[in-house]
Amino acid sequence: AQTVTQSQPEMSVQEAETVTLSCTYDTSESDYYLFWYKQPPSRQMILVIRQEAYKQQNATENRFSVNFQKAAKSFSLKISDSQLGDAAMYFCAYGRAGTASKLTFGTGTRLQVTL
Amino acid sequence: NAGVTQTPKFRVLKTGQSMTLLCAQDMNHEYMYWYRQDPGMGLRLIHYSVGEGTTAKGEVPDGYNVSRLKKQNFLLGLESAAPSQTSVYFCASSYVGLAGGPEYFGPGTRLTVT
Repeated sequence: AQTVTQSQPEMSVQEAETVTLSCTYDTSESDYYLFWYKQPPSRQMILVIRQEAYKQQNATENRFSVNFQKAAKSFSLKISDSQLGDAAMYFCAYGRAGTASKLTFGTGTRLQVTL
Repeated sequence: NAGVTQTPKFRVLKTGQSMTLLCAQDMNHEYMYWYRQDPGMGLRLIHYSVGEGTTAKGEVPDGYNVSRLKKQNFLLGLESAAPSQTSVYFCASSYVGLAGGPEYFGPGTRLTVT
């Protein structure tokens, strides 16, 4: 079974600084997808960024980028120029290709943004 | 577009009672999902649907039933609620054919079973 591990329960970053959230996963599959979701205090989950395993290029979405290391099974999220609105729980998730998107989620990292 | 909506937002049930959670999406998505989120854990998939009239079991399906009679609606039923079903329930949807993963989530339903 696939597992997703987020080893940082909480992180803190100052406004305008950069922070990196860690995620590792375990799978024997070669074709899969990885995701980062954000859950603000409103509770509604928001898809931040996704990465296809077959793509070597790291995905980016504005201030959000990932460092995907397939051999190491590592998928970290970098948030640049952090803003107060970035404060939230961040979940890493894994989905095997062709499985109707049955994702396995990590336990989350709570990000605090300070002035 | 309203996106993904869930009804109700909060509910308290006594053990043994039944209820239905309604999820609606107006984006013409084929895929819909029900997840539960417990404290200190990520989301876990309960059931999902790949199209109207189809449903399938996810990771934690026991104690729940679902129906997808209309493409835009996905219902989650608890026939006999148990305290272990106290959780926050999220519905989500996505297009067929896109890179996997639910893209749009509802705001959640907080259910307490006493």
